[in-house]
Amino acid sequence: QSALTQPPSASGSPGQSVTISCTGSSNDVGGYDYVSWYQQHPGKAPKLMIYEVSKRPSGVPDRFSGSKSGNTASLTISGLQDEDEADYYCSSYAGSPYVFGTGTKVSVL
Amino acid sequence: EVQLVQSGAEVKKPGESVKISCKGSGYIFTNYWIGWVRQMPGKGLEWMGIMNSGGSETRYSSSFQGQVTISTDKSINTAYLQWSSLKASDTAMYYCARRGSLRSGWDFWGQGTLVSVSS
Repeated sequence: QSALTQPPSASGSPGQSVTISCTGSSNDVGGYDYVSWYQQHPGKAPKLMIYEVSKRPSGVPDRFSGSKSGNTASLTISGLQDEDEADYYCSSYAGSPYVFGTGTKVSVL
Repeated sequence: EVQLVQSGAEVKKPGESVKISCKGSGYIFTNYWIGWVRQMPGKGLEWMGIMNSGGSETRYSSSFQGQVTISTDKSINTAYLQWSSLKASDTAMYYCARRGSLRSGWDFWGQGTLVSVSS
């Protein structure tokens, strides 16, 4: 099972929006609505930010949103804040059983 | 409070075996699945495999099938990841995480266990 494709980096100034894409296939992203997104700060464990494509766990700010179209899922961070600077990974159920994206480093300029 | 607490760092030589653990607390252990994730130094996350905490079902990612063994001891709310013969390329941080239903994401994570393999 190949990793899902994410851009290596994305950036924005505080208050701006940034969108990260996550491209897979009909065997993973396109075949299931079980896409989730994880934030990882350096030296820390990943943290769940979005599950089931667009749902936010309790405690995750509403500036984080998710969507999906076909084989591509997206994470949008609106109103970028300094603490959002981190690595972000998508993950999809693939029956195999799961696959992660390649990861995107988000920088706040 | 939900917690997943992993065992401490391991330093091993190639060919040695190791078993790391992940102890769940603050929730009904057998109602959730446990997954294991590898992160090699400076690299991304990789799914290794998942197991329902009752121990009746285990699924491995193709890259890790036959390379590691995932198990659980539900009597002490603990999941395990073990190797019988380590390689230098197994040097990585390993995380456990829990999941409820298929719809839910992996909502709680352990703090990670660093396994270092060097001669």
